[in-house]
Amino acid sequence: SAVISQKPSRDICQRGTSLTIQCQVDSQVTMMFWYRQQPGQSLTLIATANQGSEATYESGFVIDKFPISRPNLTFSTLTVSNMSPEDSSIYLCSVWGGPDTDTQYFGPGTRLTVL
Amino acid sequence: AQKVTQAQTEISVVEKEDVTLDCVYETRDTTYYLFWYKQPPSGELVFLIRRNSFDEQNEISGRYSWNFQKSTSSFNFTITASQVVDSAVYFCALSEAYSGAGSYQLTFGKGTKLSVIP
Repeated sequence: SAVISQKPSRDICQRGTSLTIQCQVDSQVTMMFWYRQQPGQSLTLIATANQGSEATYESGFVIDKFPISRPNLTFSTLTVSNMSPEDSSIYLCSVWGGPDTDTQYFGPGTRLTVL
Repeated sequence: AQKVTQAQTEISVVEKEDVTLDCVYETRDTTYYLFWYKQPPSGELVFLIRRNSFDEQNEISGRYSWNFQKSTSSFNFTITASQVVDSAVYFCALSEAYSGAGSYQLTFGKGTKLSVIP
């Protein structure tokens, strides 16, 4: 299975600032996704990170708030912009199409607290 | 639209008891994948099983077993002889597998929090 790392693992940020989360995979994967998990809730897909082109966002999520990059087949970043306390969540990167092509694996998550 | 329902919000069992976590799904597609993930208190999401829509065979892995029934759109998960280390939130998820926009996105249920009491 693919090994996925995320940086930072956690952070505490001030309202109005931005944070960029990195996701690195140890092998090339076809698809990369970003999910949000608000406290005590299930996971919600933010967007599909497309290599070399703009991400595909789900309803309720916009590029200005959550800009995403994917420069190659093993790396992606998610930025949470102009943060508010409502953005406090776990942000998870996931991949599909790696060594086990029919399974979606998740990174360890980034636990974000916004004060 | 696809939907996953985990009606059990929280379950508590005493160690060594068996427990079944329910999952009911909705999809219009004939080709899809079903998943179970475990999320322990540390927060990472651990993959447990994937089942595709053409394979209705039940599966057993150690103390874990899964019952997939297309007739009732259910994919239930049973833990036999539960242990304290099984305490976690368990998510059932569905992916409609096709190429193009929206491929392989997971729709999650709300999760079932399992507490195993020593």
